[in-house]
Amino acid sequence: RKEVEQDPGPFNVPEGATVAFNCTYSNSASQSFFWYRQDCRKEPKLLMSVYSSGNEDGRFTAQLNRASQYISLLIRDSKLSDSATYLCVPHNQGGKLIFGQGTELSVKP
Amino acid sequence: EPEVTQTPSHQVTQMGQEVILRCVPISNHLYFYWYRQILGQKVEFLVSFYNNEISEKSEIFDDQFSVERPDGSNFTLKIRSTKLEDSAMYFCASQGELLSYNEQFFGPGTRLTVL
Repeated sequence: RKEVEQDPGPFNVPEGATVAFNCTYSNSASQSFFWYRQDCRKEPKLLMSVYSSGNEDGRFTAQLNRASQYISLLIRDSKLSDSATYLCVPHNQGGKLIFGQGTELSVKP
Repeated sequence: EPEVTQTPSHQVTQMGQEVILRCVPISNHLYFYWYRQILGQKVEFLVSFYNNEISEKSEIFDDQFSVERPDGSNFTLKIRSTKLEDSAMYFCASQGELLSYNEQFFGPGTRLTVL
């Protein structure tokens, strides 16, 4: 089983829409997670950290369900600038980040 | 805001040549990483570095690769004899402490093209 699995997308949504991405992870020992965003040919940038049941930051809400080994990211009121690939990344005790393929989001006017 | 920098932004080289990719991590950070991303694929971990030695490396990081921190500020990745399949974006990252909520900051990357 892959360490991280995400909806591959692409998700094509109109501006203002609410969109949710799902992520499942295999290592039940993972204590915390990160959502990164990556624009085309750019470096990953941290969007938010998740280390309890969830986290909210403005239009972005992340929820963590440890029993189901499932994390979600909800984006409300999508903006054109939200178009990117969203990466769910479990924290690893040794420090390295294990990235999946990510979920591509395209917000259209 | 402090940032990780990388040079060059784009490196073109002939197969079999040696390349050195350079990174300047954030100044008070202690943990350093190299990742690569082949076009259209996911970001892959190559190596982590702490206290002047490699702490972990992936299967990709074979004998052709080496890292060092020659002067306490730069962090370099050397590929001794480049292959076509080494063509990728190479990202350097640094981290202050190995805590569960600690962010790794990524540099803008070096695009390596091997001809």
